[in-house]
Amino acid sequence: KAGVTQTPRYLIKTRGQQVTLSCSPISGHRSVSWYQQTPGQGLQFLFEYFSETQRNKGNFPGRFSGRQFSNSRSEMNVSTLELGDSALYLCASSPAGLRETQYFGPGTRLLVL
Amino acid sequence: AQSVTQLGSHVSVSEGALVLLRCNYSSSVPPYLFWYVQYPNQGLQLLLKYTTGATLVKGINGFEAEFKKSETSFHLTKPSAHMSDAAEYFCAVSNAGGTSYGKLTFGQGTILTVHP
Repeated sequence: KAGVTQTPRYLIKTRGQQVTLSCSPISGHRSVSWYQQTPGQGLQFLFEYFSETQRNKGNFPGRFSGRQFSNSRSEMNVSTLELGDSALYLCASSPAGLRETQYFGPGTRLLVL
Repeated sequence: AQSVTQLGSHVSVSEGALVLLRCNYSSSVPPYLFWYVQYPNQGLQLLLKYTTGATLVKGINGFEAEFKKSETSFHLTKPSAHMSDAAEYFCAVSNAGGTSYGKLTFGQGTILTVHP
């Protein structure tokens, strides 16, 4: 089976812009989780989607949003980018988001200038 | 709420020496515990996981971890380090319940350096 894929791998934006990141889960996996990884805060949970519904959300401002499509692919959007949004954004998929192993993609590295 | 503490942000060992990476967790319910490894510019790869049952868990690349409920610990070990083990290691906990759907709570990570 193909692994989790994320596009793009690298992105440079300027403050105030918005960005959309994409994640394709492992075939058959219906749960997609998103994480932000920074040197200062480590790995932090953003949100989880299952069957096109957000079931869980971390402690991030409303500028961070996401969605999931009927084929389980997911996108996350960050509006009004701030310098502090520079990070590696990781998505992970699992069959149902019920404590099974999460399989991670390679991440999208976002740099905000 | 659950939390994970990894003792030691950097660990350095010689090739062939024992690797010991420490992880303590806090959880109000029986936890599921995971160790992931991250190589530079890559995502996270699962090394091993504990759900229920046998408390000594064996994973890939010769790593193993022991769940000790009384100590709330899940330390990762490998008898003999290899240069290719140099990476960052993350301990994570997953809880049950609606507020935990698809959520892993990670420790701050431990960077393992292996010297020749």
